[in-house]
Amino acid sequence: QQQVKQSPQSLIVQKGGISIINCAYENTAFDYFPWYQQFPGKGPALLIAIRPDVSEKKEGRFTISFNKSAKQFSLHIMDSQPGDSATYFCAAIGKGGTSYGKLTFGQGTILTVHP
Amino acid sequence: DTAVSQTPKYLVTQMGNDKSIKCEQNLGHDTMYWYKQDSKKFLKIMFSYNNKELIINETVPNRFSPKSPDKAHLNLHINSLELGDSAVYFCASSTGPPMPYGYTFGSGTRLTVV
Repeated sequence: QQQVKQSPQSLIVQKGGISIINCAYENTAFDYFPWYQQFPGKGPALLIAIRPDVSEKKEGRFTISFNKSAKQFSLHIMDSQPGDSATYFCAAIGKGGTSYGKLTFGQGTILTVHP
Repeated sequence: DTAVSQTPKYLVTQMGNDKSIKCEQNLGHDTMYWYKQDSKKFLKIMFSYNNKELIINETVPNRFSPKSPDKAHLNLHINSLELGDSAVYFCASSTGPPMPYGYTFGSGTRLTVV
């Protein structure tokens, strides 16, 4: 059962364009939503994260939009650069207990930014 | 300087062998994890330890056994390796309860079973 669904699977954007990746979740017990960036041969690196009591969070060129009622959240990359080319994962973490710290990942989006 | 380091980076071995992957973190975190990334890049948690205590044990074959000698180290031992075990294994760490902040991944161990 895929608890976090991510789309699109791949995305091609021109330099300077906006990249948008969408995620939807099912489990209402999730209460922390991070995005990870992964380059080939490297581990996922935390990019930006949001709590469900906030509708938007911006850090530099990266913005998360969160819609709690629709159980959806998205990552927007403004002014996309070739160096942003990587695989992006959305994820969700539930409240503590026996699942403390368990990241449930989306399927990943391969982003290619053409110069 | 490396925050979460795991060794080896590459592991090629024959079916039926036993192998171990080691992980160390110098972030002072209380919680450590093992994740598996399959050939389609899907990431799934396998185990987590908080202060040397097993917290999460997902439906992983008994051939996989984690060990945490102290809160800075988490090793993964795999017995009787099978072809389907081929994947990239990531170690990670975070702060302890109430919230797992500072979640940091190592650079992975690519295991190939032939």
